Amino acid sequence: GAGVSQTPSNKVTEKGKYVELRCDPISGHTALYWYRQSLGQGPEFLIYFQGTGAADDSGLPNDRFFAVRPEGSVSTLKIQRTERGDSAVYLCASSPRGGSGGALEYNEQFFGPGTRLTVL
Amino acid sequence: AQSVTQLDSHVSVSEGTPVLLRCNYSSSYSPSLFWYVQHPNKGLQLLLKYTSAATLVKGINGFEAEFKKSETSFHLTKPSAHMSDAAEYFCVVSETGRRALTFGSGTRLQVQP
Repeated sequence: GAGVSQTPSNKVTEKGKYVELRCDPISGHTALYWYRQSLGQGPEFLIYFQGTGAADDSGLPNDRFFAVRPEGSVSTLKIQRTERGDSAVYLCASSPRGGSGGALEYNEQFFGPGTRLTVL
Repeated sequence: AQSVTQLDSHVSVSEGTPVLLRCNYSSSYSPSLFWYVQHPNKGLQLLLKYTSAATLVKGINGFEAEFKKSETSFHLTKPSAHMSDAAEYFCVVSETGRRALTFGSGTRLQVQP
């Protein structure tokens, strides 16, 4: 079946502009995650949705970053007033359900190919 | 707070020889631990996961990892490297009660013919 898809695959923008990055999770997956991967680093958690609500947004770096998932499926990550330091690969992942995160309940997170954002 | 340290940023082995990728973790509670692999221009793929059921975990493509609580380690091994194993490998921790994954900085595995 289809995996997690992300659009666009590449986005080049100018400093100060607004961008939207889209994620289509695997059909039926209720949990959705956003991560950011800077060059030479591992991915860093940004936000986690369970259904339509943001269950954990502790990784968002500042109020320029915002994400929505209005119908519990597709999610959009929005970045206002982009800065050069926002340049990175933005990864989306989904999993079948959220749960408490306890060891025996853990569900694998399936990752998309990412959107490479370049801020000039 | 949880964290992961991957002790080698780059490992090079010859095809057919053993692979060892080292990982140490720090976690306040009983963690879940994972190894993910990232091939160039491809998405992250789960290799294996430890969720307290067994300390020796077997994953895909012949990889395995052993959870050692006394050493706070979760090293990844494979008896015989294949050219297709060349990729970036990430050790990952997740604490009970949180869904967020914390990734290490990655180890690039190079396999020489």
